[in-house]
Amino acid sequence: NAGVTQTPKFQVLKTGQSMTLQCAQDMNHEYMSWYRQDPGMGLRLIHYSVGAGITDQGEVPNGYNVSRSTTEDFPLRLLSAAPSQTSVYFCASSYSRGSYNSPLHFGNGTRLTVT
Amino acid sequence: ILNVEQSPQSLHVQEGDSTNFTCSFPSSNFYALHWYRWETAKSPEALFVMTLNGDEKKKGRISATLNTKEGYSYLYIKGSQPEDSATYLCAFHTGGFKTIFGAGTRLFVKA
Repeated sequence: NAGVTQTPKFQVLKTGQSMTLQCAQDMNHEYMSWYRQDPGMGLRLIHYSVGAGITDQGEVPNGYNVSRSTTEDFPLRLLSAAPSQTSVYFCASSYSRGSYNSPLHFGNGTRLTVT
Repeated sequence: ILNVEQSPQSLHVQEGDSTNFTCSFPSSNFYALHWYRWETAKSPEALFVMTLNGDEKKKGRISATLNTKEGYSYLYIKGSQPEDSATYLCAFHTGGFKTIFGAGTRLFVKA
């Protein structure tokens, strides 16, 4: 049982480049989300999805796009990378749409550096 | 803006010590509070999901309590072991689809 799989584990980008962080889950979870982790701060929600075809913004959505064409996959796109997007990114999923009574299952993270 | 505070930021204890830390959250629009354990180089793993005022949950030497009226939750570790060294995160839910995380308490247990 793979759980939540994120790729790549590490990535270095130059300012202005674009890339996609991949996230896939095999638990048939309705809810999927992307967080970023910065030193001294809690995990901050970037975007989330409550099912295929449905996405919405979190706390810090600027500079990122998402789509949810299938239940399993929830890629995060950086449109034009900036040094402020240097961070560790986590994908997480949960069984229930509301997510409040089901815990989040996290991927192993992607460490992104933008130079 | 909803704020979730965790204290202390970090804690150093000796093996065998019992310890506790706090998560403070808004007392209105409460739906659930989650606790996660995050070991270095791994991803966060769920410890507890707490939804009712007065809830107490226990898993081995770790337990948690919840007071939704005053907006706090305590996490207790009895007889700390080196393998308990990790960051402990709490996450607050208001019933929408957004989870607000605290910055975490980093626990170091010295053998």
